[in-house]
Amino acid sequence: DQQVKQNSPSLSVQEGRISILNCDYTNSMFDYFLWYKKYPAEGPTFLISISSIKDKNEDGRFTVFLNKSAKHLSLHIVPSQPGDSAVYFCAASGHSGAGSYQLTFGKGTKLSVIP
Amino acid sequence: KAGVTQTPRYLIKTRGQQVTLSCSPISGHRSVSWYQQTPGQGLQFLFEYFSETQRNKGNFPGRFSGRQFSNSRSEMNVSTLELGDSALYLCASTAGGTSVGTEAFFGQGTRLTVV
Repeated sequence: DQQVKQNSPSLSVQEGRISILNCDYTNSMFDYFLWYKKYPAEGPTFLISISSIKDKNEDGRFTVFLNKSAKHLSLHIVPSQPGDSAVYFCAASGHSGAGSYQLTFGKGTKLSVIP
Repeated sequence: KAGVTQTPRYLIKTRGQQVTLSCSPISGHRSVSWYQQTPGQGLQFLFEYFSETQRNKGNFPGRFSGRQFSNSRSEMNVSTLELGDSALYLCASTAGGTSVGTEAFFGQGTRLTVV
């Protein structure tokens, strides 16, 4: 049972336009959501996060929106640049056993920004 | 400040053998988590250690085990390797404590190939 879903395996966007990556979750116990960016043969790099008590968080070209009632979040990248081409993972964390730290990941969306 | 260091970067093993992977977290971080990344399943949580204690474990067979030392460095071991264990193994460190408002920092991973 996949608790975090990224339904689009890939996305192509023209340079300078907006990229919108979507993520859905099923577990209402998740209280913190994160986006990671990953290049081949490297580990994921933290991009931006949002607490479940907020509906928007912005950091430069990156904005994450959270719709708790729909259990949906999205990452907006404006404007998109060729260097943004990577796989983007949506992740969620919540209270696990013994107060431990655990991230539940979606399967990722490969973003290609076309010059 | 040094990042998360994983060794070795690449490893080739034969079915039935065992393997040990190492992870040194960011200085001062006390929580270390391990994840397995495969093309079909994305990133899946293996286990998390904090102050030398395993706090949480994912749905993996008992062939997968780990430990953490007093300096927070961690090792994971896979015994009786199977072809399906071929994957990128990622280690992540966090300062510890609760999960809310905390991002994990990942190492570059160890690419394990079982032949």
